[in-house]
Amino acid sequence: KQEVTQIPAALSVPEGENLVLNCSFTDSAIYNLQWFRQDPGKGLTSLLLIQSSQREQTSGRLNASLDKSSGRSTLYIAASQPGDSATYLCAVPTQGGSEKLVFGKGTKLTVNP
Amino acid sequence: DAGVIQSPRHEVTEMGQEVTLRCKPISGHNSLFWYRQTMMRGLELLIYFNNNVPIDDSGMPEDRFSAKMPNASFSTLKIQPSEPRDSAVYFCASSPFGSSVFNEQFFGPGTRLTVL
Repeated sequence: KQEVTQIPAALSVPEGENLVLNCSFTDSAIYNLQWFRQDPGKGLTSLLLIQSSQREQTSGRLNASLDKSSGRSTLYIAASQPGDSATYLCAVPTQGGSEKLVFGKGTKLTVNP
Repeated sequence: DAGVIQSPRHEVTEMGQEVTLRCKPISGHNSLFWYRQTMMRGLELLIYFNNNVPIDDSGMPEDRFSAKMPNASFSTLKIQPSEPRDSAVYFCASSPFGSSVFNEQFFGPGTRLTVL
């Protein structure tokens, strides 16, 4: 059974700092991994979808990496800003390219001005 | 593009009442998903449809929950009768490609349900 873990559960950093959020999963036979952002009281916003054939995917100040063999992904945020404060969730298919996703509990990020 | 639309945004009801949540997926998307989010359990998939057909409802907690997708642009999630433990945020999401390496999911704003 696919399980997703995100550590730490919460992270507080000063503005301008570079940071890394971690995601680990138990079944590495996945086709992709998705990172989401959730603001308080809001829905999830898709940030990056990284395919199993890719090792990295970049969007602006965000960079996601995927290491299937070790069952890990990281989301790197460069030059953090207060507006980056949110909860970040990663999700992987239950298996292969299944449409059923398993989500981590998320990392709540606070960027202090 | 309007994105995934959900209604109502907030619903407060009394135990035993019927609750109907509505979702309009992004036009052209083939798959639709209903999720429930709570502090204790996080985000859980309840059911999903592909081309309007229910594919997997193993996440539906009880027979009190039912979902329909009568056409490509509309889906409902119904709880009858509702109970206080059903209080949660319910999200609808849609995806364009079905089972695929490209199956990125797009979420609606959610419906916050409170059952008193």
